[in-house]
Amino acid sequence: QKEVEQNSGPLSVPEGAIASLNCTYSDRGSQSFFWYRQYSGKSPELIMSIYSNGDKEDGRFTAQLNKASQYVSLLIRDSQPSDSATYLCAFQWGNYGQNFVFGPGTRLSVLP
Amino acid sequence: ETGVTQSPTHLIKTRGQQVTLRCSSQSGHNTVSWYQQALGQGPQFIFQYYREEENGRGNFPPRFSGLQFPNYSSELNVNALELDDSALYLCASSTGGGQGNEQFFGPGTRLTVL
Repeated sequence: QKEVEQNSGPLSVPEGAIASLNCTYSDRGSQSFFWYRQYSGKSPELIMSIYSNGDKEDGRFTAQLNKASQYVSLLIRDSQPSDSATYLCAFQWGNYGQNFVFGPGTRLSVLP
Repeated sequence: ETGVTQSPTHLIKTRGQQVTLRCSSQSGHNTVSWYQQALGQGPQFIFQYYREEENGRGNFPPRFSGLQFPNYSSELNVNALELDDSALYLCASSTGGGQGNEQFFGPGTRLTVL
């Protein structure tokens, strides 16, 4: 059974702080990992993909991947109230990456 | 906006009926994946279509079936609807069917089964 585990939250941080979201996954052979943001009543939107161990930065977002620990995280610097949403972690698996598994999501609340 | 469109936006059906949901992929994308998202849960992968063939499938029964057309648009068909099929149905498009291809979601179809 391929699984992604995330803390469901809610995770509350004050405006301007760093929000740290974590995810563990079950498939050691997975190569591709994704973070999505989903506002209430909307569809998920892609924030970042990461494929190699280490950090990947894009603006205020940094994704971190550790394949040995089967762990991926997302840091949001200078959190804004507009970042309040559910954050979904996902990975691909299969010979051609044709299958996807999403976690249940972590609800983030950034307090003004 | 991702360029992925879905229709209809909302749909109400009764148990036992059949439903067809539609998705148009983003320009340049040849792969469509379908997901079911129940309230408060993450999206559950139903299947993926790549070049008009089912390329991968999640843990869904055969009454969930699909098609992809030569223009890469896709349909999701659900037969013998059950109350638990009430959910947001999402399609996502991407380029190619391999590892590392980012998926972009459409706005979803909200299905209610009474």
